[in-house]
Amino acid sequence: GAVVSQHPSRVICKSGTSVKIECRSLDFQATTMFWYRQFPKQSLMLMATSNEGSKATYEQGVEKDKFLINHASLTLSTLTVTSAHPEDSSFYICSAWDRGGYEQYFGPGTRLTVT
Amino acid sequence: AQSVTQLDSQVPVFEEAPVELRCNYSSSVSVYLFWYVQYPNQGLQLLLKYLSGSTLVESINGFEAEFNKSQTSFHLRKPSVHISDTAEYFCAVTPSGGYNKLIFGAGTRLAVHP
Repeated sequence: GAVVSQHPSRVICKSGTSVKIECRSLDFQATTMFWYRQFPKQSLMLMATSNEGSKATYEQGVEKDKFLINHASLTLSTLTVTSAHPEDSSFYICSAWDRGGYEQYFGPGTRLTVT
Repeated sequence: AQSVTQLDSQVPVFEEAPVELRCNYSSSVSVYLFWYVQYPNQGLQLLLKYLSGSTLVESINGFEAEFNKSQTSFHLRKPSVHISDTAEYFCAVTPSGGYNKLIFGAGTRLAVHP
């Protein structure tokens, strides 16, 4: 099946710094990707929908200036957490539709820890 | 708008016993339904999906789910579970016909004991 990768898998950063997370569709093109946040023992919370070549659509309550999303190509979307704080520590997961098989594939996730 | 309710947050079961994980949804339009499994510190993997046709769908590892439109349910079942089935299971829904966001339930933790 299709594969979605994320990099890095784990990152530790200091409070006040910015962190970039990459999401790639490895064997299919993804005009739309999704970014989720997951707290321990909780469900996935959709943060934003990333659209290739246009602005991302953010869910209500998600700060656009804090979580910058760029979808510059059909295989790459990036999420940048700006001026990170400890409360931003979480598991971030991306996904993309493989339109051929009508299945949404998920990346393995990125564990962000802000100290 | 759509919503998903997973009625059980945790389901403990002994190995080789049957299990049912319940999922109910709410929607004013027709939907597609999915079950995903998540192992610790990993992303989600698709177990099975209902798009159209037969209301009973099966996965390659013995799980099955039945779409019941009148009861707005999509319960997941397995006749005999293994230790390796221990994981978090998420039910999800999306409006049919497009490539929209998935709406997830809260998840059910399946714990299989020897």
